[in-house]
Amino acid sequence: RKEVEQDPGPFNVPEGATVAFNCTYSNSASQSFFWYRQDCRKEPKLLMSVYSSGNEDGRFTAQLNRASQYISLLIRDSKLSDSATYLCVVNGDYGQNFVFGPGTRLSVLP
Amino acid sequence: GAVVSQHPSRVICKSGTSVKIECRSLDFQATTMFWYRQFPKQSLMLMATSNEGSKATYEQGVEKDKFLINHASLTLSTLTVTSAHPEDSSFYICSARDRLGGMNTEAFFGQGTRLTVV
Repeated sequence: RKEVEQDPGPFNVPEGATVAFNCTYSNSASQSFFWYRQDCRKEPKLLMSVYSSGNEDGRFTAQLNRASQYISLLIRDSKLSDSATYLCVVNGDYGQNFVFGPGTRLSVLP
Repeated sequence: GAVVSQHPSRVICKSGTSVKIECRSLDFQATTMFWYRQFPKQSLMLMATSNEGSKATYEQGVEKDKFLINHASLTLSTLTVTSAHPEDSSFYICSARDRLGGMNTEAFFGQGTRLTVV
C-alpha cells in the first residue's frame, strides 16, 4: 500500500462547480498535512495547510480525520484558473521529509 | 516570503556527461534539503535527503554514486547527475524548510530543472 493515496482523477468540471478531493495516508504517526497545487511543468506551491479542526481559505476548505487517516479538499465555485494537479502531502514524523500523494488532476471547463 | 532558487531551469546534455544542479535557500537556513524527481504524468518521488555537513541519505533504488549530493552550507545543496543517460531525463526539484520553523512549516520548492539527455 502506498504511503499517501489520492483519488485517481482526472476531474473535469464546469466553471462554478463544487469539487472534492480525497486523500488517505498510511502512517498513523503523521503529524502535519498539506495540500499543494502543481501547474504543468512548474514546481508545487502550497495551497493550504490542513489543521485538525479543519480550515477554510476563501473557496477552499480542508479537513482532516486522524482516526480514519483521511484528508479532504473542497473547492467551491470552481474557476478556470483552478485547473491544476492537487497534491496531498504528509509529513510522516518529526523529521522534515514530505511524502507526496500521486496527485489528482483537475480541469475546470468553460 | 521564503524562496528557494534552483539553477539551471533547463539543461540539455550529451549522454555520458555530468550535470550539476544547484539549490539555494535565499532568506532562510535549511539543515536539510530534499531532492525529488518527477517523470511525465507522475508524482514527485523523493530521491535523497541532503544533510548539511554530512552524507546524504538516499532512497531505495537511487544510486548514490550516480547522483552525487553535496550540502556544504545551510543555504546550498547541489545534485550532480554523473554519466547521464537518456533515462535520466526528468524534472528534478529541490525543496527546503526553514530549520527554525515548527512542524507545520511549509516546504518551499525550487523552480525545478528539466534535464534532457541526448
